[in-house]
Amino acid sequence: GIQVEQSPPDLILQEGANSTLRCNFSDSVNNLQWFHQNPWGQLINLFYIPSGTKQNGRLSATTVATERYSLLYISSSQTTDSGVYFCAVERNSGGSNYKLTFGKGTLLTVNP
Amino acid sequence: DTAVSQTPKYLVTQMGNDKSIKCEQNLGHDTMYWYKQDSKKFLKIMFSYNNKELIINETVPNRFSPKSPDKAHLNLHINSLELGDSAVYFCASSQSGGFQPQHFGDGTRLSIL
Repeated sequence: GIQVEQSPPDLILQEGANSTLRCNFSDSVNNLQWFHQNPWGQLINLFYIPSGTKQNGRLSATTVATERYSLLYISSSQTTDSGVYFCAVERNSGGSNYKLTFGKGTLLTVNP
Repeated sequence: DTAVSQTPKYLVTQMGNDKSIKCEQNLGHDTMYWYKQDSKKFLKIMFSYNNKELIINETVPNRFSPKSPDKAHLNLHINSLELGDSAVYFCASSQSGGFQPQHFGDGTRLSIL
């Protein structure tokens, strides 16, 4: 099956710093999503971004599908950004796939 | 208005018991999923249903039986619970046809004593 690798596995920032999280995937995809799992365990949809660039406030994401990677940018980080960030992909297998394959996540800690 | 809701949020039970987790979505989606998150936070698909039809059963033990009474609901019944079933179970939904953004519920934390 498709492999999804996220880096770094852990990241510690001071409030106000910027960061970039990376997601590499091993095959072509038709769906790529970024999620934030907050300390309460909720999975929050950040972006649906199979290709191109999107921005939402302090967060933005870019997927370069031809090179099989996606980046999540967090600017002016806040303590509420802490949690685990997951990248998940759905592979174009030519038939019914209907599943997301998740990376292992990046654990982000933002200190005040 | 919650889009994907799961009940209960927490479930603590003894080994060997049978339990169910319910999931409902009000997004008008045709496709629903169950994912399992283990103690290392790894998320993996268990089942997906499209228009009440099972599409994916990702080598899950027979003790797990999903049931979709209609397109808005996908319940998960687990028989003879084992210690290894302790995990967080997430329900999700998306529009049909695959390759659509999936929306997740808040999860059900299952603890087996």
